[in-house]
Amino acid sequence: RKEVEQDPGPFNVPEGATVAFNCTYSNSASQSFFWYRQDCRKEPKLLMSVYSSGNEDGRFTAQLNRASQYISLLIRDSKLSDSATYLCVVNGNAGNMLTFGGGTRLMVKP
Amino acid sequence: DGGITQSPKYLFRKEGQNVTLSCEQNLNHDAMYWYRQDPGQGLRLIYYSQIVNDFQKGDIAEGYSVSREKKESFPLTVTSAQKNPTAFYLCASSRQGAYYGYTFGSGTRLTVV
Repeated sequence: RKEVEQDPGPFNVPEGATVAFNCTYSNSASQSFFWYRQDCRKEPKLLMSVYSSGNEDGRFTAQLNRASQYISLLIRDSKLSDSATYLCVVNGNAGNMLTFGGGTRLMVKP
Repeated sequence: DGGITQSPKYLFRKEGQNVTLSCEQNLNHDAMYWYRQDPGQGLRLIYYSQIVNDFQKGDIAEGYSVSREKKESFPLTVTSAQKNPTAFYLCASSRQGAYYGYTFGSGTRLTVV
């Protein structure tokens, strides 16, 4: 089983749609969780950290379910500019190290 | 502004040649990392360093070497032993513990010609 698993997609959605991604992780001792965004041929950039109580940043909402070991990202009112690959990231077995999921590709269409 | 700088942006390597990719950060981060990304694929860890003068192999270290003589710098050498080096190389840095995530450089795209 991979340490961090994501559905690779692509998720094809129309502008204005709400879309949700899930990610599961294997290490129950993980403490830090993040969503990164990676545009084509660019570096990953931190989108948001994920806190136990859930957190929101504008159109983006992240939630953590420790019991089931999954993280979710909800994007409301999708924009064309949201088209990217979204990486689920968890601090893994080595404690100080982050483990990256393979990414979920989102394509928002006009 | 603090950040992490990778150079060059594009690099072409002839068969059998060693090349060195530069990574410099002024974020005062203790830890630095090198990843490789192939088209349509995820990130794979090559080497990492948690402290100056110390580094560890990642999942795909064969054919690569690194040094960490200064806190700010973590250069990666792609040796002739790496048989398929064409890829996108990403350098990242973090505070100890990675609780604030990693900051990435803009990457170096290496092509074998």
